[in-house]
Amino acid sequence: EIVMTQSPATLSVSPGERATLSCRASQSVSSNLAWYQQKPGQAPMLLIYGASARATGLPARFSGSGSGTEFTLTISSLQSEDFAIYYCQQYNSWPRFTFGPGTKVDIK
Amino acid sequence: EVQLVESGGHLVQPGGSLRLSCAASGFTFSRFSMNWVRQAPGKGLEWVSYISRSSSIIYYADSVKGRFTISRDNAKNSLYLQMNSLRAEDTAMYYCSVGSESPSPIDYWGQGTLVTVSS
Repeated sequence: EIVMTQSPATLSVSPGERATLSCRASQSVSSNLAWYQQKPGQAPMLLIYGASARATGLPARFSGSGSGTEFTLTISSLQSEDFAIYYCQQYNSWPRFTFGPGTKVDIK
Repeated sequence: EVQLVESGGHLVQPGGSLRLSCAASGFTFSRFSMNWVRQAPGKGLEWVSYISRSSSIIYYADSVKGRFTISRDNAKNSLYLQMNSLRAEDTAMYYCSVGSESPSPIDYWGQGTLVTVSS
């Protein structure tokens, strides 16, 4: 099983600041990497797929990068609605997806 | 608009059984594979099971293999998860989601149904 890890576990950021979230895979997943945002009481929402492609309607302040085993999600200027938990997911071993443990982005 | 509405979750004793349902609308259900994904309270996401469009291909996570059974009824636009021999660690929100026939992320999720396994 491909194990996903994320860092940091919690990221405290002020509104308007930049947030950088990391995700690592235990083996190469090529570019088969997605990022999801989840807010309390809601289902996850797809943000990024193919490591760097934005989902339809996603603001340009969200960007993804990386390939192989190292990936990054960057939020260039945090808005109030961006405070949430972010999960990375590999789908290289589809349909046996695995998810990272999440990074909580909260208000500093 | 794609809609996935899960139901059937509630409190059940360890060793008990439960059947979850997911009603799909807004897309041609029979043309898409489906998944169940769960999330324990305050924890991360765990893929549970996959079923292909025709039910010919089925996969389970090792944690549920032999206890859970995924199925679908394309005539009723419905997905199911039969859960037997339930354990405390099966306590989670269970989400149904639209799958794919090739490596792809999950575009559409339901709002989930909560299963609590406790005596």
